[in-house]
Amino acid sequence: NAGVTQTPKFQVLKTGQSMTLQCAQDMNHNSMYWYRQDPGMGLRLIYYSASEGTTDKGEVPNGYNVSRLNKREFSLRLESAAPSQTSVYFCASRETGGAYGYTFGSGTRLTVV
Amino acid sequence: GNSVTQMEGPVTLSEEAFLTINCTYTATGYPSLFWYVQYPGEGLQLLLKATKADDKGSNKGFEATYRKETTSFHLEKGSVQVSDSAVYFCALRGGTSYGKLTFGQGTILTVHP
Repeated sequence: NAGVTQTPKFQVLKTGQSMTLQCAQDMNHNSMYWYRQDPGMGLRLIYYSASEGTTDKGEVPNGYNVSRLNKREFSLRLESAAPSQTSVYFCASRETGGAYGYTFGSGTRLTVV
Repeated sequence: GNSVTQMEGPVTLSEEAFLTINCTYTATGYPSLFWYVQYPGEGLQLLLKATKADDKGSNKGFEATYRKETTSFHLEKGSVQVSDSAVYFCALRGGTSYGKLTFGQGTILTVHP
């Protein structure tokens, strides 16, 4: 089925370790986004990519980097994980233009100990 | 900047009860408004949307009307089911936000038989 695929689904890291969260979409969408979800705070935007080759900071970018590898893929990297980055991470994509909603992946639950 | 405020939960109802989840927003210009639903262990799914004042979005028995005069987009359902138990997020996309969504904090709904 068409959609947004995130890997891994679960991950436990030790403080200071690095990792990359992968996201791929097969809907030919131009825009892609990374959000984190924390209890009582809804979803907050980390980074986004309005189109292939561009990336911009969102509301909470500190401690993260992103790469828009091609139109399909948008990865999120934690260079030195901290306990404050324990969260559920969602990738989403959207076709540019119009009032279209997003398509979300199923999420990555990350725990930093 | 843009912001969304939802009624605090959790909300607990009996099956066939009437549901209202309040949502108000602050935004410049003319935002598009959305309700997303997240079932346990899953990503967010678009429930309904409205793109201009007085529009009514509807889906699966849920409705919400875009009220510009009160800056509100309250979610309603006349008769809830156990299967409606989920987390509901109100969100907006501003006219100049490059497609970025701003989310409310989410409202947990539990429906008992």
